[in-house]
Amino acid sequence: EDQVTQSPEALRLQEGESSSLNCSYTVSGLRGLFWYRQDPGKGPEFLFTLYSAGEEKEKERLKATLTKKESFLHITAPKPEDSATYLCAVRGSGAGTALIFGKGTTLSVSS
Amino acid sequence: GAVVSQHPSRVICKSGTSVKIECRSLDFQATTMFWYRQFPKQSLMLMATSNEGSKATYEQGVEKDKFLINHASLTLSTLTVTSAHPEDSSFYICSALETASGGVYPFFGPGTRLTVL
Repeated sequence: EDQVTQSPEALRLQEGESSSLNCSYTVSGLRGLFWYRQDPGKGPEFLFTLYSAGEEKEKERLKATLTKKESFLHITAPKPEDSATYLCAVRGSGAGTALIFGKGTTLSVSS
Repeated sequence: GAVVSQHPSRVICKSGTSVKIECRSLDFQATTMFWYRQFPKQSLMLMATSNEGSKATYEQGVEKDKFLINHASLTLSTLTVTSAHPEDSSFYICSALETASGGVYPFFGPGTRLTVL
């Protein structure tokens, strides 16, 4: 069964304090690992898609990396506006075209 | 990025009534759309997969007669919650698949907050 586990559940950072969020996954035939940002009361906002181990993608203060078992979302020098819930999801060969989501990491950045 | 809209954004209804939620892909065609529901502080749970021109595929435990899905065109899918009850109160989010440059990109709508009194 495809499964996604995110840690930590919640993370509090000071502005400028870099850190990483973890996404561990088990999936039969990975066809993509996705990172989204979700603000309260809104739908997920697409950030990255990673397809193969060793792949990295960057966007502003965010960098996503992928290994065969997990993905990291690195946040460099975060700002208060980076506060949100970050969701990781996978698409496997056994899940059709739907995404399987983790429970998310809620990030709070204080100034 | 691609844009997916949902309407309405919020709806309050009485128990026993039906509510229709629309999901539109605004600048791309989507043969496949998905419907999720999300409870407070929980992640997204897939309800059903909607394919244009065919019947939706429902996840285990989701009542197909209660949650009616219609995907009549390549840009529109609708979810109708029939005979709504308070336990159906939730945040409903749709997703549409954009395929470009050999990749598959699921984009999400802004969600619909349903409150059943």
